[in-house]
Amino acid sequence: DQQVKQNSPSLSVQEGRISILNCDYTNSMFDYFLWYKKYPAEGPTFLISISSIKDKNEDGRFTVFLNKSAKHLSLHIVPSQPGDSAVYFCAASLQGGKLIFGQGTELSVKP
Amino acid sequence: DAGVIQSPRHEVTEMGQEVTLRCKLISGHNSLFWYRQTMMRGLELLIYFNNNVPIDDSGMPEDRFSAKMPNASFSTLKIQPSEPRDSAVYFCASSPEGLANEKLFFGSGTQLSVL
Repeated sequence: DQQVKQNSPSLSVQEGRISILNCDYTNSMFDYFLWYKKYPAEGPTFLISISSIKDKNEDGRFTVFLNKSAKHLSLHIVPSQPGDSAVYFCAASLQGGKLIFGQGTELSVKP
Repeated sequence: DAGVIQSPRHEVTEMGQEVTLRCKLISGHNSLFWYRQTMMRGLELLIYFNNNVPIDDSGMPEDRFSAKMPNASFSTLKIQPSEPRDSAVYFCASSPEGLANEKLFFGSGTQLSVL
């Protein structure tokens, strides 16, 4: 069973517009959520995180929103740039435990 | 710092053969994680070590998979015998603080193809 799900395998956005990547989870006890970014032929790298006590965390062009009642997480990138083209993984953990990752969403930002 | 180093980058083998994947941790890190990436399941944690000791191997698919950490800087993941369904990208990651999730540093991965 997939506890963290990213139902969109791919997303295409025009440069300068907003990219919204979505993630759903099933375990309401998860208390920490992260987004990792992965370029081709490289390993994932940490992007941004949010604790379950918050509903929003912002870092420059990247904002993560958490809706606990819906068990839904989203990553907003504004404005999107061609260099943002990558695979984005959301992940969740419980009380500092192991990371449970989603399947990933491949973002393509077109000039 | 060279980061987490994995070898080989690509491995093509035939079903039934033994496969060994290698990983060198970042100096000073004390935790080591092996992940597998597939289209269907994303990144799955196979096993993790802390201070050379296996802490959680619940993600290891079956007895054909084994992992070792013979010293503080090196780990191997072995599949014997390999099967086509093992084809995936295998990542190694290290951390200076156990399960401190933001500080996971991944290697570039090994693309495994079992024919």
